[in-house]
Amino acid sequence: QKEVEQNSGPLSVPEGAIASLNCTYSDRGSQSFFWYRQYSGKSPELIMFIYSNGDKEDGRFTAQLNKASQYVSLLIRDSQPSDSATYLCAVKEGGKLIFGQGTELSVKP
Amino acid sequence: SAVISQKPSRDICQRGTSLTIQCQVDSQVTMMFWYRQQPGQSLTLIATANQGSEATYESGFVIDKFPISRPNLTFSTLTVSNMSPEDSSIYLCSVESLGRAGSDTQYFGPGTRLTVL
Repeated sequence: QKEVEQNSGPLSVPEGAIASLNCTYSDRGSQSFFWYRQYSGKSPELIMFIYSNGDKEDGRFTAQLNKASQYVSLLIRDSQPSDSATYLCAVKEGGKLIFGQGTELSVKP
Repeated sequence: SAVISQKPSRDICQRGTSLTIQCQVDSQVTMMFWYRQQPGQSLTLIATANQGSEATYESGFVIDKFPISRPNLTFSTLTVSNMSPEDSSIYLCSVESLGRAGSDTQYFGPGTRLTVL
């Protein structure tokens, strides 16, 4: 059974702090990894994708991938209250996305 | 990224009836998908909508319950048939298109919020 696991949270961080969101996956053959942000009542919005081991930075967001450990993470620097949302990790397998259950992030002013 | 619209945005239906959800994309895309998101849950893939052929359904989903059409490269419909309260969910259309730096990424429509009484 191919799985993607995330801590459901909620994860609460103060404004300005770094939020760290983690995801593990079971299929060693996975090659593509995605992070989506979903505000309450809205559809998922793609914020990052990563294919290679290491870090990938885009503005305040950094995705980290470690294929040997089957681990992908998302760091949000200088967290803002507007970052409060559910973050979904997704792994592409056989052309399809497998989603984790999502981590709820709350950024307190 | 492609611009995706869905109709209706929400509906309240009686059990035993059927609802057809439409998904329209502003550009031709090769892959279109339908997902379900039950309250408080993550996304579950229902099926891949194939242009010109029958949809490919995931385990636990069948064509009689969720018939799908895809007559061209920009449009698809999902029908939720013989509805029960357990079908109350958000239904999301997704497309895969060539995004930034040549990546194949999926983008989601705004969703259809269905409540079955």
